[in-house]
Amino acid sequence: ETGVTQSPTHLIKTRGQQVTLRCSSQSGHNTVSWYQQALGQGPQFIFQYYREEENGRGNFPPRFSGLQFPNYSSELNVNALELDDSALYLCASSSRLAGGHNEQFFGPGTRLTVL
Amino acid sequence: AQSVTQLDSQVPVFEEAPVELRCNYSSSVSVYLFWYVQYPNQGLQLLLKYLSGSTLVKGINGFEAEFNKSQTSFHLRKPSVHISDTAEYFCAVSDSHQGGSEKLVFGKGTKLTVNP
Repeated sequence: ETGVTQSPTHLIKTRGQQVTLRCSSQSGHNTVSWYQQALGQGPQFIFQYYREEENGRGNFPPRFSGLQFPNYSSELNVNALELDDSALYLCASSSRLAGGHNEQFFGPGTRLTVL
Repeated sequence: AQSVTQLDSQVPVFEEAPVELRCNYSSSVSVYLFWYVQYPNQGLQLLLKYLSGSTLVKGINGFEAEFNKSQTSFHLRKPSVHISDTAEYFCAVSDSHQGGSEKLVFGKGTKLTVNP
């Protein structure tokens, strides 16, 4: 069973640029969540996708957007990059079932540096 | 809305000593509770979770936590730590209401350093 993978592992961009981060879900999972972890902070929820639709969003501006594909992989897009966007971006996948809690499994993250 | 407070940003201990990492939460609804561990340059790994039932939860690597509803706490404990337990530990909550996004709300983390 393949776990959650993310690409790239590291990325350096300049202010104003756009970036796309990618995530492959764990086999059998249909839900993907994205989190931003700034240095020295806990992860913060950006949004979640379930069956290719956004299903919940945290307190992030519209320049943070996402996609989920039919194979349940996902992309996080960030436009007009700002210095404060420098962070570790974590993807987590889960298998949404009726009732009960659906454990989220995290990938290793993509470290984004904005200069 | 939920929030999580981890009372200690750093906890240094000696090898084989016991440790407790403190976590308090705030929520207007019933919640699920979690502890995650993050090793340097890695993602998050689930240590243990409280969903319902017994308030004492046992996890991996010898860790356990106790849910205290009246004190809104979920402290993590280990009776004897190893050098390899050096890592950052995050407490998290999610809304147990079904149908929502099941987003996790994390604390700021506690850096545990185990010294020889």
